[in-house]
Amino acid sequence: RKEVEQDPGPFNVPEGATVAFNCTYSNSASQSFFWYRQDCRKEPKLLMSVYSSGNEDGRFTAQLNRASQYISLLIRDSKLSDSATYLCVFYSGSARQLTFGSGTQLTVLP
Amino acid sequence: EPEVTQTPSHQVTQMGQEVILRCVPISNHLYFYWYRQILGQKVEFLVSFYNNEISEKSEIFDDQFSVERPDGSNFTLKIRSTKLEDSAMYFCASSGTVNTGELFFGEGSRLTVL
Repeated sequence: RKEVEQDPGPFNVPEGATVAFNCTYSNSASQSFFWYRQDCRKEPKLLMSVYSSGNEDGRFTAQLNRASQYISLLIRDSKLSDSATYLCVFYSGSARQLTFGSGTQLTVLP
Repeated sequence: EPEVTQTPSHQVTQMGQEVILRCVPISNHLYFYWYRQILGQKVEFLVSFYNNEISEKSEIFDDQFSVERPDGSNFTLKIRSTKLEDSAMYFCASSGTVNTGELFFGEGSRLTVL
């Protein structure tokens, strides 16, 4: 089983739609979880951290389910500027490194 | 806003040549990283660096790779004898603390090995 598995997409949604991505991880020792965003041929940028209690940042909501070992990202009221690849990332304190998923590609259409 | 800067943005080299990629991390950060991304593939960890020594390295980071912090600002990745499969985007990143995973990435250096 891969360390991090994401649906690669692509997800093509109209402006204003709500879209959700899931990500599963296999390393139960993973400590911290993040969603990063990567625009085409650009560097990854931190979108938000993911907490067990769930957290929201504007139109973005992230959830962590440790029992089932998955995290999710919900984007409400999609904007054209949300078009990007969304990377599921976890940090393992024992390995002291970030592990990236392959990413889910989102295209928001006018 | 402070940022991580990388040079060169693109380097083309012949197989077997040495390449040095340079990075200037955010000035008050203490932890430095190199990641790479082969075109169309995922971001992969290469090495982390703290207190002037390597903290962790991946299987990719073999004897052909080395890192150095020659002065108080630069952080370099050297590939001694490049192979075709080293062609990738190399990202430098830094963080202020180690156990959060909140990294700030540079814009990357694209390496093309011919």
